[in-house]
Amino acid sequence: GQQVMQIPQYQHVQEGEDFTTYCNSSTTLSNIQWYKQRPGGHPVFLIQLVKSGEVKKQKRLTFQFGEAKKNSSLHITATQTTDVGTYFCAGRWAGSYQLTFGKGTKLSVIP
Amino acid sequence: NAGVTQTPKFQVLKTGQSMTLQCAQDMNHNSMYWYRQDPGMGLRLIYYSASEGTTDKGEVPNGYNVSRLNKREFSLRLESAAPSQTSVYFCASSEGAGGANVLTFGAGSRLTVL
Repeated sequence: GQQVMQIPQYQHVQEGEDFTTYCNSSTTLSNIQWYKQRPGGHPVFLIQLVKSGEVKKQKRLTFQFGEAKKNSSLHITATQTTDVGTYFCAGRWAGSYQLTFGKGTKLSVIP
Repeated sequence: NAGVTQTPKFQVLKTGQSMTLQCAQDMNHNSMYWYRQDPGMGLRLIYYSASEGTTDKGEVPNGYNVSRLNKREFSLRLESAAPSQTSVYFCASSEGAGGANVLTFGAGSRLTVL
């Protein structure tokens, strides 16, 4: 089946450094969502991107959807310890009913 | 407003035993889902119910059965548990059906099969 590839699998950053996680699909996505899961917690919805080239911001978080709608990224500026967790993208293709999750990027922030 | 509630939170089973994971949502959502999460594997869809009275297989349905009891409740049953079913199970719901809808997840049920 189709997959959403997410990299990196792990990222360790010093507090204050920036962080980026990427998701890629071999075929065009209809939409992509991003979720955050804190350690020991459950996934929580962050954002949905639908349009080609779309960019959305939430405070220090910037989400982008590629022009070809085959890739997406989440960038965190000046990480804080509260950003610790696993970030998942979840994509849907035309003709596919449900979301397919990437394997996630686990972010550790060193104070 | 509790959102999505799952029970139990933790369960240990022996191989071959059966059990049911319960899920209820109080958001009047139409669609409900069961996912499993394994280390390094992300979230994989087991079964979903697009609306009351319907259920469909997801990516990894083997070894599981589901029941959409009513609009609020969606249960997941393991008839004969296997060690490969050791995982964290998440129930989720969404207002509408399909991947353009936002998922609200429960707190998870950690299952260990010995």
